[in-house]
Formats: sequence, structure tokens, C-alpha cells
Amino acid sequence: KQEVTQIPAALSVPEGENLVLNCSFTDSAIYNLQWFRQDPGKGLTSLLLIQSSQREQTSGRLNASLDKSSGRSTLYIAASQPGDSATYLCAPIGFGNEKLTFGTGTRLTIIP
Amino acid sequence: KAGVTQTPRYLIKTRGQQVTLSCSPISGHRSVSWYQQTPGQGLQFLFEYFSETQRNKGNFPGRFSGRQFSNSRSEMNVSTLELGDSALYLCASSLEGQGFEAFFGQGTRLTVV
Repeated sequence: KQEVTQIPAALSVPEGENLVLNCSFTDSAIYNLQWFRQDPGKGLTSLLLIQSSQREQTSGRLNASLDKSSGRSTLYIAASQPGDSATYLCAPIGFGNEKLTFGTGTRLTIIP
Repeated sequence: KAGVTQTPRYLIKTRGQQVTLSCSPISGHRSVSWYQQTPGQGLQFLFEYFSETQRNKGNFPGRFSGRQFSNSRSEMNVSTLELGDSALYLCASSLEGQGFEAFFGQGTRLTVV
């Protein structure tokens, strides 16, 4: 059974800083991994999808890396802004099923 | 193009009642998945439909059921509601499921009293 851990659970940083969010998963047999953000009471917004054959994916100030063999993914946010405040969730998809397995997320607060 | 649309956004129901939630996927998407989000359990997978067939099912009791129509729209039904069913129910759509990016709706907030 896939288990996903996200560290840290919460993070507060001043505006403008670069930061890294970590995600680890127990079953490395994954098809791909997706990062999301969730604002309070809202749905999930897709940030990046990394295919299992990829090691990195970039979108604007966001960069996600994937190391399947070690069961880790990181999300790098450059030049953080107050609008980046949200909960960030990673979700790998295993072979043979269609479900995303979510971690408990990292609650990020950017201080103006 | 329009995103994933879930209706209604909010619902209040009484224990023992049943409820139906609706999800309209992004145009052209054939896979629809449902998730339950609670403060205690986080996001948990309910089931996934593709071309009107349930392909995968999570570990939820039979009170939770769903279906998908020929236009890919999906409904989720919960019968004999319990207080513990209070949650945010999220629907996600993707082109064909595994390997494709999943897009979520805004969710339906269900409160059982």
C-alpha cells in the first residue's frame, strides 16, 4: 500500500525567499507524480505532472524533481510571493490503478 | 475551456437521508474520479469511472456508489447518511486516467446533521 509523507507539515517564510517542499513515497513503482495546491475550502489546482521517465518538470517559478528509486520528489518555489500561500500536496499514481495517493500536505505561509 | 464543474457547492442533509452529487468533466475527458477529503483522513479515493465503467474502487462501504453517463458526466450517491460522511467531496477528470494530468473541481461541501 502506497504511503506518502510530506515534510515539513507547515512552513512560514518571508516573501522573496526560495523554498523546497519534500515528498516521499513508499512504493517506487509509480506511473507518474502530480503536485497540487489547495486554497482553504477550495478544490485542488494542478501545478505540475512528472512522468516516471522524467526527472524534472518546470512551470514558471516552480520546479519539481522526481527520484523514483529513492521514492522522493521535491517542489522548488523560487522568489516566493504572498499569493503562494496555500497547502501543497503531492500525489503519485501507481501502476495498475487510476488513483492518486495523497500526502497530508505542506501548509505554506508567505509573510509579506 | 471550462474546467471541472461540481454541483451543488454546499449541501446540508440529515442522518439517514441520501444525497447525489454531480460532476461535469472537462470537455473531451473520459475519466472521472471521486475523492473524499476530511480533516482527520485527508484525501481518500472513492472510485474512478472511464467510459461509463467503474475501473477502480477505494475502500469505502457500499453506501457510496457512483455512475457515469455517455457524455462522461458522473454522479456520486451516498445512501443512509452518517455524521462521519460530512466532508468535501472532490471530483477529478483526465483524458484517459493513468498517466494523464488530473484536474479537480471546486468540490461539494456536504454537512450531515
